[in-house]
Amino acid sequence: SQTIHQWPATLVQPVGSPLSLECTVEGTSNPNLYWYRQAAGRGLQLLFYSVGIGQISSEVPQNLSASRPQDRQFILSSKKLLLSDSGFYLCAWSVSGGVQPQHFGDGTRLSIL
Amino acid sequence: SQQGEEDPQALSIQEGENATMNCSYKTSINNLQWYRQNSGRGLVHLILIRSNEREKHSGRLRVTLDTSKKSSSLLITASRAADTASYFCGTYSGGGADGLTFGKGTHLIIQP
Repeated sequence: SQTIHQWPATLVQPVGSPLSLECTVEGTSNPNLYWYRQAAGRGLQLLFYSVGIGQISSEVPQNLSASRPQDRQFILSSKKLLLSDSGFYLCAWSVSGGVQPQHFGDGTRLSIL
Repeated sequence: SQQGEEDPQALSIQEGENATMNCSYKTSINNLQWYRQNSGRGLVHLILIRSNEREKHSGRLRVTLDTSKKSSSLLITASRAADTASYFCGTYSGGGADGLTFGKGTHLIIQP
């Protein structure tokens, strides 16, 4: 069966520090991968998606970036965090875009001080 | 921008009662999906309904879709304490591998 892992589960970072969140999927090949952010009191906002190694599409311009160095690995990064980057970051995968259900990890709670 | 908007934002009912949540969206869709999120966890997929479908069932869940009104509803029958969670609708407009557009969700509390 397929599983998705995200780490760390929680993270507290100072403003201006770098960020690296990792997501890996097991049990499937060539998944579509997604990063969402959920801010307090708001719905999920799609940040990035990827259909293959090295292929990244950005939905919202900001100081975050994403990379897919391996088929089942998706990384969210920032060189300098802002207070507004606080939130709950969720990684998800699907077999084929939005025509199939998406499967979410348990998220990373990021707090910026 | 957010496509789906769930209504109500919060709902509290007694165990055993039925819970109904609504979702409205703005543009045409390929499908609409309902998800559940327990506190501090990721989203769990419940039901996917395609634009050419009007109703789907899964266990105690019933989803309807009215594309003319751009709205959907999720009915949970015979609610249980374990149904306490936030429920989100996500819409997919089609055209590629891009993700879903979600609303702010309905927070459902089942009173024992």
